[in-house]
Amino acid sequence: DGGITQSPKYLFRKEGQNVTLSCEQNLNHDAMYWYRQDPGQGLRLIYYSQIVNDFQKGDIAEGYSVSREKKESFPLTVTSAQKNPTAFYLCASIGTGMWSTEAFFGQGTRLTVV
Amino acid sequence: DAKTTQPPSMDCAEGRAANLPCNHSTISGNEYVYWYRQIHSQGPQYIIHGLKNNETNEMASLIITEDRKSSTLILPHATLRDTAVYYCIVRVMSNTGKLIFGQGTTLQVKP
Repeated sequence: DGGITQSPKYLFRKEGQNVTLSCEQNLNHDAMYWYRQDPGQGLRLIYYSQIVNDFQKGDIAEGYSVSREKKESFPLTVTSAQKNPTAFYLCASIGTGMWSTEAFFGQGTRLTVV
Repeated sequence: DAKTTQPPSMDCAEGRAANLPCNHSTISGNEYVYWYRQIHSQGPQYIIHGLKNNETNEMASLIITEDRKSSTLILPHATLRDTAVYYCIVRVMSNTGKLIFGQGTTLQVKP
C-alpha cells in the first residue's frame, strides 16, 4: 500500500543534542513538507521540498535542517539551536500534475526534550 | 501567511448537520479550496476540495459562494467521531509550493 511513514512515533532527546526525524513516502510524490504543531495550535511550516536536491525554508526554519537526496525521503534534523523543540512533528507529501489533489500526512513524531 | 479565516470553535449536536464556514476573500482564480481534518494526535486527513462548483463525496459537501470569497463544509449527520479540528486552505492544484494551514476550527460534536 502506498503511504507516508514517519518514525519514530515518540522520541526523547537530551538538551543540546541533535536528533533526526525520518519521513519516507512510496507515493512517487515530488513535494514533501515538514510541520510543527504545538498543543492547541495549528500546523506551522518548517521546510518544504518541491524536487530532489532542493528545499526551501518555511515560516519557522530556525534551528532545523533538512536534506532531500532521494525522492522518497525527507529527513528533518532538530538541532541544538532550536530553543523549544518539544512538539508534534508532521510530514506530508503532494504529487504534481492536474490529478494530484490532496496532501498525504504521516502519523507524526512526538519529540520531547528531557 | 494563512489565506483563510475560520472560527476557532463550534459545537454541533450528534445527528445534526455541522456547517463549518471559511472566509478566503483573497482567493485567486486558479486556487482551489481544500478541507482537511485532524483528529487528536493524528496526521490531518483530506476531506474534500472544489474550485467553484459545489462538491459532494461520501464524507461531506462543500458549498462555495458565487464570488468564491467564502465556503462552507457540511457534515450532513455529525457523529461523535467527527469531533476534530477542521482546516480550510486554498492552493493552486498543480502548485507544490508553500502549503499553509491556518488555526482551523475545533468542532465538538455533543451527544
